[in-house]
Amino acid sequence: SAVISQKPSRDICQRGTSLTIQCQVDSQVTMMFWYRQQPGQSLTLIATANQGSEATYESGFVIDKFPISRPNLTFSTLTVSNMSPEDSSIYLCSVKKGAYGGEQFFGPGTRLTVL
Amino acid sequence: SQKIEQNSEALNIQEGKTATLTCNYTNYSPAYLQWYRQDPGRGPVFLLLIRENEKEKRKERLKVTFDTTLKQSLFHITASQPADSATYLCALDLNTNAGKSTFGDGTTLTVKP
Repeated sequence: SAVISQKPSRDICQRGTSLTIQCQVDSQVTMMFWYRQQPGQSLTLIATANQGSEATYESGFVIDKFPISRPNLTFSTLTVSNMSPEDSSIYLCSVKKGAYGGEQFFGPGTRLTVL
Repeated sequence: SQKIEQNSEALNIQEGKTATLTCNYTNYSPAYLQWYRQDPGRGPVFLLLIRENEKEKRKERLKVTFDTTLKQSLFHITASQPADSATYLCALDLNTNAGKSTFGDGTTLTVKP
């Protein structure tokens, strides 16, 4: 298994500002992902965080809005830039230990409210 | 287009009964299918994974079946307890999808005492 922590756990932000969310894993992992989950909805994959290279974004998500860093195999950050109320959501970091499909371990999430 | 559908948004059952949750998919050929549990305000927790060449998997009171012909997985919780109340998500992994999982919308299970 993997133990994942996220900071902050929640935040309330003003429109037009940016927030950086940190994800720390207790062991080296191959794959790290960032998801968004809006109230009452399922998980939507934002991007795959690649160690040492640019993240791979899903359709509808762009680097300018959601820049991601992954400097090593245990840490990643997601920034939500130029926020609007539509960005209010729970942001979740997840990891897979193997290089291919399989079980994922999720962080506790960051609950973001944009006013 | 590709789609994952989980049966009814909510399922209510009596304690002690078996809960059966359904995950149907179209236009996928998943290599793996997984089930997760999510409690309010928390991240999903992995429960079971079943591979495309497996028909059934069990873990304690949980059982998952996988029918690639019907494109369906069933998730059973036997002898259900109020503590089993949560949202259950199915997720598909494709061989060609670089390790990414696609999640269904989830089914919220309530077990009444």
